[in-house]
Amino acid sequence: DGGITQSPKYLFRKEGQNVTLSCEQNLNHDAMYWYRQDPGQGLRLIYYSQIVNDFQKGDIAEGYSVSREKKESFPLTVTSAQKNPTAFYLCASSMGTPVKYSNQPQHFGDGTRLSIL
Amino acid sequence: GQQVMQIPQYQHVQEGEDFTTYCNSSTTLSNIQWYKQRPGGHPVFLIQLVKSGEVKKQKRLTFQFGEAKKNSSLHITATQTTDVGTYFCAGPGGTSYGKLTFGQGTILTVHP
Repeated sequence: DGGITQSPKYLFRKEGQNVTLSCEQNLNHDAMYWYRQDPGQGLRLIYYSQIVNDFQKGDIAEGYSVSREKKESFPLTVTSAQKNPTAFYLCASSMGTPVKYSNQPQHFGDGTRLSIL
Repeated sequence: GQQVMQIPQYQHVQEGEDFTTYCNSSTTLSNIQWYKQRPGGHPVFLIQLVKSGEVKKQKRLTFQFGEAKKNSSLHITATQTTDVGTYFCAGPGGTSYGKLTFGQGTILTVHP
């Protein structure tokens, strides 16, 4: 059954600690994305990757880092530099988009809720 | 960066009433997508509109893309309790390939 798996579902971070959120997809999608969602707000893009070993900053990349060593995996690290990390984090994937301004439907995982202890 | 504005932020309706949410951009959009997020869930892709003036229907849902490709709407006829959730529009995020900019979303509550 194809899809996107995010883990853990809930995560608690202590002060000064880095935490890593996992995102794995078996849809054979080239592109992957990380979004942050705060209560009552839309989705804000943190990082995205169009291809393995390449990624770009989104609109709110400060305090976050990513890697894309495998096509299936796009982990997100929330560093201690991110002073307000409490949010709902969503990972998504889509087919590749080789044409500028074009978009493919994005498929989302179930998300990770991160809170500060 | 490019912004997509969505209104209203909240909408409360009685079951059976109609519902509409609107999405506006200051720049021309090459395409627009709509997503639904149930409470506690994740966004699910509903549809993509590409052509000027395009109208697409999915059962009780009607999606429109403006003639100038700067606005879009989602209309639900005779709402049901299963329609509750947040509806988002999303447009291309500037020049970046595949990047989406999401609207703030409209939270729909349906009272039985």
